[in-house]
Amino acid sequence: GNSVTQMEGPVTLSEEAFLTINCTYTATGYPSLFWYVQYPGEGLQLLLKATKADDKGSNKGFEATYRKETTSFHLEKGSVQVSDSAVYFCALIGGYGGSQGNLIFGKGTKLSVKP
Amino acid sequence: GAGVSQSPSNKVTEKGKDVELRCDPISGHTALYWYRQSLGQGLEFLIYFQGNSAPDKSGLPSDRFSAERTGGSVSTLTIQRTQQEDSAVYLCASSTGTSAQETQYFGPGTRLLVL
Repeated sequence: GNSVTQMEGPVTLSEEAFLTINCTYTATGYPSLFWYVQYPGEGLQLLLKATKADDKGSNKGFEATYRKETTSFHLEKGSVQVSDSAVYFCALIGGYGGSQGNLIFGKGTKLSVKP
Repeated sequence: GAGVSQSPSNKVTEKGKDVELRCDPISGHTALYWYRQSLGQGLEFLIYFQGNSAPDKSGLPSDRFSAERTGGSVSTLTIQRTQQEDSAVYLCASSTGTSAQETQYFGPGTRLLVL
């Protein structure tokens, strides 16, 4: 079935450092890929998404490119801020295998940014 | 506009009791999902509803779990004879459809603790 694997945390960075959180997936067909973020004490929010190969999702300075050849959707940000401290979840929907409707999530990566 | 709302925000119950969790989706959203978030299992899909179609129950962990959606809007997740392993945050999400391109919007969750 479909699955998502993301790098284990926690990740601790200094402010203005470069961030990469790796995410790879297993899916048949053509899934859509998502990054969700959960800030402390808040609910899950969509950060960005990409619905077809080579698409780049971007939001709030974060970017991720849908790479079908490497089945990856790595999250990057050039200069993190303390306010980016949160748990980040990579997820997918769809493809030909597994359920079409529900999100399948990675385990989450906790990011802490120090001033 | 109003987002997804859930009630109660917190619920403490005794092992063996039944609990009901409520979700109000975003107005006009035809698809509604239940997930749960626990330390050991991460984010897991439970069930989803799409319009008048039969729900996809493939994620329900046991027959103690059930859900209904009345009038295509509000949904209730019921857990019968609760067990300690049911302790988790139960998340509800809604979207305009179940295609792979749709964004799911999450509520704040209900934190369930089974003593």
